[in-house]
Amino acid sequence: GQNIDQPTEMTATEGAIVQINCTYQTSGFNGLFWYQQHAGEAPTFLSYNVLDGLEEKGRFSSFLSRSKGYSYLLLKELQMKDSASYLCAVEGSGAGSYQLTFGKGTKLSVIP
Amino acid sequence: EAQVTQNPRYLITVTGKKLTVTCSQNMNHEYMSWYRQDPGLGLRQIYYSMNVEVTDKGDVPEGYKVSRKEKRNFPLILESPSPNQTSLYFCASSPYYREFRELFFGEGSRLTVL
Repeated sequence: GQNIDQPTEMTATEGAIVQINCTYQTSGFNGLFWYQQHAGEAPTFLSYNVLDGLEEKGRFSSFLSRSKGYSYLLLKELQMKDSASYLCAVEGSGAGSYQLTFGKGTKLSVIP
Repeated sequence: EAQVTQNPRYLITVTGKKLTVTCSQNMNHEYMSWYRQDPGLGLRQIYYSMNVEVTDKGDVPEGYKVSRKEKRNFPLILESPSPNQTSLYFCASSPYYREFRELFFGEGSRLTVL
């Protein structure tokens, strides 16, 4: 099985940088996803990490360390529209392949 | 337009009355999956399917059934709904190539069981 931990809530200021952490304990690992979910809407894909290191995509970056069971999502130049929940999800391997386990999400509030 | 379509979007029903939530995708994706989302518990996977006639249990399959007779459709069946199945349900699909495993979600179906 998978156990995924991320902070419940965070607050940051418009224009600032925020880092949302995700730790996981898994029986197998194929990759880690980050999704964004605005209130009342469906999740939308942000990033997918398979190998260790940093993946940058515009204002958003995602980092993975498989040996530490750790990932973070970095949001730069925060905008009000970034207020949303951010979901970390792990894909299992072997018998758990294609089974995706989500963390409970981190609700980010961006304030002026 | 590439999309995942769920119906109904909202439903109020009573305990024990069988219902089906339909899910259809027009992107020719192999992989489809159902999730439920509850406050404080996050998204939990109910069932998933890697291809036609191939389905497997997720983390919370009890009380649900699925079928995958066609590639584009993946209905979720509640044979005898109970109040603890009141939730927000999402269907999702993905091409699931090694380099492109993004999940595309439907808009969600809010189900209330009285």
